[in-house]
Amino acid sequence: QSVLTQPPSVSAAPGQKVSISCSGSSSNIGNNYVSWYQQLPGTAPKLLIYDNNKRPSGIPDRFSGSKSGTSATLGITGLQTGDEADYYCGTWDSSLSAFVFGTGTKVTVL
Amino acid sequence: QVQLQESGPGLVKPSQTLSLSCSVSGGSTSSVSYYWTWIRQPAGKGLEWIGRVYTTGNTDYNPSLKSRLTISIDTSKNQFSLQLLSMTAADTAVYYCARGPWGRYRVDSWGQGTLVTVSS
Repeated sequence: QSVLTQPPSVSAAPGQKVSISCSGSSSNIGNNYVSWYQQLPGTAPKLLIYDNNKRPSGIPDRFSGSKSGTSATLGITGLQTGDEADYYCGTWDSSLSAFVFGTGTKVTVL
Repeated sequence: QVQLQESGPGLVKPSQTLSLSCSVSGGSTSSVSYYWTWIRQPAGKGLEWIGRVYTTGNTDYNPSLKSRLTISIDTSKNQFSLQLLSMTAADTAVYYCARGPWGRYRVDSWGQGTLVTVSS
């Protein structure tokens, strides 16, 4: 059972915006950097956001990240059908001395 | 750009030991800048971080797997490996090898994954 909680699913129409929350605690999100991963169907995950709000080269600015206290949020604007995927947050947990992933959120484009 | 490739058996019998290797190209396991990481994903389920190894051989493990797990590194072969003892059906998953930077750790490069099924 993950220590990071995400909503199981979110959906919106093409062109709209979705936000995915990731809730943790002071031992993980509260005191460590958050990263986000996109997993398209049948493929390996890909790093989408790191250090709470930075995008690796090649990731469009439609994807954004933020963190406040013990929660983090991934935002996707201008939703496209190609954004249909599972999204995971991740961070180091200082109590566990291990990296932890969120429960995952499936994004559906209506 | 670094590339990671998992190798190992696709089928393991219950109670046996799983041994997987990850070959690294376009990067070096001798680098002081990265951790080398294993992650798994049961079918239809979420990601589970297994553990990581540094070029010095230092490791960090998922506490839930620590008693059965060994991750090692062979810089001469530019590879790192996973051994998981006493496999059960619950260990059936796609296993990914990956890389993450030292410091502000995240997983920035992934292998394609290899399916390991535990069955008699």
